Amino acid sequence: NAGVTQTPKFRVLKTGQSMTLLCAQDMNHEYMYWYRQDPGMGLRLIHYSVGEGTTAKGEVPDGYNVSRLKKQNFLLGLESAAPSQTSVYFCASSKREAPSEQYFGPGTRLTVT
Amino acid sequence: AQKVTQAQTEISVVEKEDVTLDCVYETRDTTYYLFWYKQPPSGELVFLIRRNSFDEQNEISGRYSWNFQKSTSSFNFTITASQVVDSAVYFCALSEAYTGGFKTIFGAGTRLFVKA
Repeated sequence: NAGVTQTPKFRVLKTGQSMTLLCAQDMNHEYMYWYRQDPGMGLRLIHYSVGEGTTAKGEVPDGYNVSRLKKQNFLLGLESAAPSQTSVYFCASSKREAPSEQYFGPGTRLTVT
Repeated sequence: AQKVTQAQTEISVVEKEDVTLDCVYETRDTTYYLFWYKQPPSGELVFLIRRNSFDEQNEISGRYSWNFQKSTSSFNFTITASQVVDSAVYFCALSEAYTGGFKTIFGAGTRLFVKA
């Protein structure tokens, strides 16, 4: 089992560029999440999904969009990157039985210049 | 409203010392869940423990132990005889129900340095 994987691991963008972060899980989990981690602020939920084809906003959704076309994949998009989006992004998944523990990916370090 | 406070930003200990990481939470719900996660230098968060609000029994797992006290809204984590491999950032998290599922918020984390 690979668990939760994220692509890419690192990325540098210029202000205004767009990109998509890919998260994949092979544990057949229903729930998936995108977080950002900034120094001194812990993890903040950006968007989440409770099943294929469904998404919902978290605590800090502005500037991001997501899609969950397949159960195993959860995509996070930045349409027009801003320096404030420089962060480490983590994807996680969990079972339907809530609130179960979350399994995290290795993270994506994004820098926007 | 939910809130998780980890007042200790960084803690430094020498190997074999015991260390306690504090977690204080706020919630209006009577049903909620508390978690601890470890983030080692490699970066990936790892689940350590889950506790529901109806189970105030303390738990011990090897060198790790957790003390849950509803009266003080605290869920503290103690590492006994710390080791260098315990060096990591530790996050406390709180989940409570809302329409459609559960919401989880994380504390800001406590960075633990264990020196040899």
